[in-house]
Amino acid sequence: AQSVAQPEDQVNVAEGNPLTVKCTYSVSGNPYLFWYVQYPNRGLQFLLKYITGDNLVKGSYGFEAEFNKSQTSFHLKKPSALVSDSALYFCAVRDPSGGTYKYIFGTGTRLKVLA
Amino acid sequence: SAVISQKPSRDICQRGTSLTIQCQVDSQVTMMFWYRQQPGQSLTLIATANQGSEATYESGFVIDKFPISRPNLTFSTLTVSNMSPEDSSIYLCSVQLARGTGELFFGEGSRLTVL
Repeated sequence: AQSVAQPEDQVNVAEGNPLTVKCTYSVSGNPYLFWYVQYPNRGLQFLLKYITGDNLVKGSYGFEAEFNKSQTSFHLKKPSALVSDSALYFCAVRDPSGGTYKYIFGTGTRLKVLA
Repeated sequence: SAVISQKPSRDICQRGTSLTIQCQVDSQVTMMFWYRQQPGQSLTLIATANQGSEATYESGFVIDKFPISRPNLTFSTLTVSNMSPEDSSIYLCSVQLARGTGELFFGEGSRLTVL
């Protein structure tokens, strides 16, 4: 069965320091992988995705993520964190091999950037 | 991208009543979904809203409790029927563009509190 794991409920990082939010997945085929961000009292916003090609993908607001097939991971990174990056981050996976449109979301990681 | 308008943005409801949430998209979309996000939890897919036919419900969700309409390619409604406090959640409308490469776009969400 497909699954997504975000092992950290919360990540704290000082402003200006690099940040990493972890995500691992389990799918039977070649996955489509996504990161979304949710600010307080808002819906989810798409940050970036991996479909195929270069393992390092760049997205909105200076975020990037690295697809690692051997480790089945898709960690979200940013070289220098901003206080405004504080939000809830969701990793999601979609397995297109069976023609399904279904997305599986992780449990979310709350990022807190300290000034 | 797509702009998704959801209303109401929040409401406080009495036990036993029903509430209908509306979702309007600024472009024609093939796939439209309804998710539930319970407090402190991840997103759970309720159903796929199908134009002109019955919605496709996920395991654990039934039409009598969550009737869904989708009269055209830009509009859908979700009704939460006979509400109980356990239905207190954020309900999110989401779409995938017909020509998109997989990412979902979300409305701002409807935060329901059932007393």
